[in-house]
Amino acid sequence: GAVVSQHPSRVICKSGTSVKIECRSLDFQATTMFWYRQFPKQSLMLMATSNEGSKATYEQGVEKDKFLINHASLTLSTLTVTSAHPEDSSFYICSARDYSVSDTQYFGPGTRLTVL
Amino acid sequence: QKEVEQNSGPLSVPEGAIASLNCTYSDRGSQSFFWYRQYSGKSPELIMFIYSNGDKEDGRFTAQLNKASQYVSLLIRDSQPSDSATYLCAVTFRTQGGSEKLVFGKGTKLTVNP
Repeated sequence: GAVVSQHPSRVICKSGTSVKIECRSLDFQATTMFWYRQFPKQSLMLMATSNEGSKATYEQGVEKDKFLINHASLTLSTLTVTSAHPEDSSFYICSARDYSVSDTQYFGPGTRLTVL
Repeated sequence: QKEVEQNSGPLSVPEGAIASLNCTYSDRGSQSFFWYRQYSGKSPELIMFIYSNGDKEDGRFTAQLNKASQYVSLLIRDSQPSDSATYLCAVTFRTQGGSEKLVFGKGTKLTVNP
């Protein structure tokens, strides 16, 4: 299957700092990538859809000025959590859609963010 | 509101048994259905996708789809302890803007006992 990488895998930061998470599709081009957030014992919640070369589409209730998404190339999307607070601590997972395999989404390994 | 419902479990089966996981969805127009497996602390891993009514088999896994009943299931034959994980059902919904969005159920936690 298609491979999606995510970096960093784990980050601990102080409240008020910004954190950037990278998502890369390694062996396919992804015009569309997705960012999810998962709190303990809950399901994945879609935060935003990232489209290459255009603005991201955010889900209702997700602050676009807090969660900045950039999808500058067909293999890279970044999520920046600005002015992070403890309530932003979560498991952030990206996925990329491989249209050559029937619209299937493949997930990166996730980034565990802890804000102190 | 687009919804995907799963029994949260936990579902416990003995090793070698068949595990049956069920999922219902709210949008009759949905076309694509996926099963993901998620181990604790890890990201989801695709197991199978299914688009047409009926059964689709891949090794020990069989996905079943009934669009009339808006129901999709996953059968795991000869269950192994390594199958112990949370299984997520995901369904694509078309938004008002015309794009497709994948909506996940809350997952069913499966435990296979040796």
